[in-house]
Amino acid sequence: EVRLVESGGGLVQPGGSLRLPCVGSGFTFSSYWIHWVRQAPGKGLVWVSRINRDGSTTNHADSVKGRFTISRDNAKNTVYLQMSSLTAEDTAIYYCARAEDNTGDFDYWGQGTLVTVSS
Amino acid sequence: QAVLTQPSSLSASPGASASLTCTLRSDINIGTYRIYWYQQKPGSPPQYLLRYRSDSDNQQGSGVPSRFSGSKDVSANAGILLISGLQSEDEADYYCMIWHISAWVFGGGTKLTVL
Repeated sequence: EVRLVESGGGLVQPGGSLRLPCVGSGFTFSSYWIHWVRQAPGKGLVWVSRINRDGSTTNHADSVKGRFTISRDNAKNTVYLQMSSLTAEDTAIYYCARAEDNTGDFDYWGQGTLVTVSS
Repeated sequence: QAVLTQPSSLSASPGASASLTCTLRSDINIGTYRIYWYQQKPGSPPQYLLRYRSDSDNQQGSGVPSRFSGSKDVSANAGILLISGLQSEDEADYYCMIWHISAWVFGGGTKLTVL
């Protein structure tokens, strides 16, 4: 069974940092691009970041460039989203999703982890 | 103006068809774009439905019923998700997405009510 499991969410103060792992199982993790998509409470989906199969290519949305970093450890079947300089606007459920190719076919998603930025 | 614009809500009756639109900003020509569609039900992550660029370049998600289909209205610069034979389980939020200038961009979503 294909699974993606996010963790690491929680309450963090403005200006703080957080690292979100996304662990994959049930498939050949290193064969897939991994994306992060977030959803603020009651709002729509917003793409955040992506990383290619071997980690050599990454992209970020303009809203998080310079603050968020995506990386992966294929030996641990894990992608990480390192978030820093967090603001209230970063409060959201963060989902990771996979895509077999450099396409928008995000065929499996995790259940998400909630990040709340508040003092 | 947003890159992708979707109506915030749409209502339709069981058994009827619903046409959900995703309009690209006027400076973006839909011609070569692949439009991706996702369904999200309350409390759940999104699910991939399909992608559509043309009748010869499209893909249905695994297990997605054929009553979900994609198309384009080139004159309106819009992608369309057509859901035929509406069922109560189709009540959900629907999002379109494209790749634009080195980023994936979602539309604001359409809340489909089946009543």
